[in-house]
Amino acid sequence: EAGVAQSPRYKIIEKRQSVAFWCNPISGHATLYWYQQILGQGPKLLIQFQNNGVVDDSQLPKDRFSAERLKGVDSTLKIQPAKLEDSAVYLCASSLVRGGGYTFGSGTRLTVV
Amino acid sequence: GQNIDQPTEMTATEGAIVQINCTYQTSGFNGLFWYQQHAGEAPTFLSYNVLDGLEEKGRFSSFLSRSKGYSYLLLKELQMKDSASYLCAVNYGGATNKLIFGTGTLLAVQP
Repeated sequence: EAGVAQSPRYKIIEKRQSVAFWCNPISGHATLYWYQQILGQGPKLLIQFQNNGVVDDSQLPKDRFSAERLKGVDSTLKIQPAKLEDSAVYLCASSLVRGGGYTFGSGTRLTVV
Repeated sequence: GQNIDQPTEMTATEGAIVQINCTYQTSGFNGLFWYQQHAGEAPTFLSYNVLDGLEEKGRFSSFLSRSKGYSYLLLKELQMKDSASYLCAVNYGGATNKLIFGTGTLLAVQP
């Protein structure tokens, strides 16, 4: 079974630029999550999708962050414009059913300079 | 709001036993996960507790008390490679399948 695919692996951008991350979950996994993990902290949920609908985006900074999951499969997370404090690892995870295993992608390490 | 607490850092000696505690307050509870995360890598699954009691898996064991909102991860026969961050995470929210993480406990295993 292929894992959760994420790209790019690393990204360096200047503040006020825009950036997009891509995630392809495990085939058949209905739930997809985007987490932000700042160095030394635990992952913080940004947005959760169930199929192509949003379940929770309460912690997503909607003035600069956006995410979509077209056709209920892969997803993109965008930041526009980026700020220095957005420097973090962005993790994508997916799960099949409630309480089932969560599988994480390798993450995208974003550095904003 | 939802809250998970765990110690920030711990230090232990190779070959010893260490217990990492986690307390939580969430609206609803489906289960509790422990993940291991090495620096620069994604979290990897260690254990999942739904019911009260101890789950043993090799050198790692995890305990859950739902009435106390408490869990611990027990690592035996510590090895240098066990140096990592250990994340406590709670699945809550019923059918919405939400997953919230603690800040992680950075474990340093010393020779």
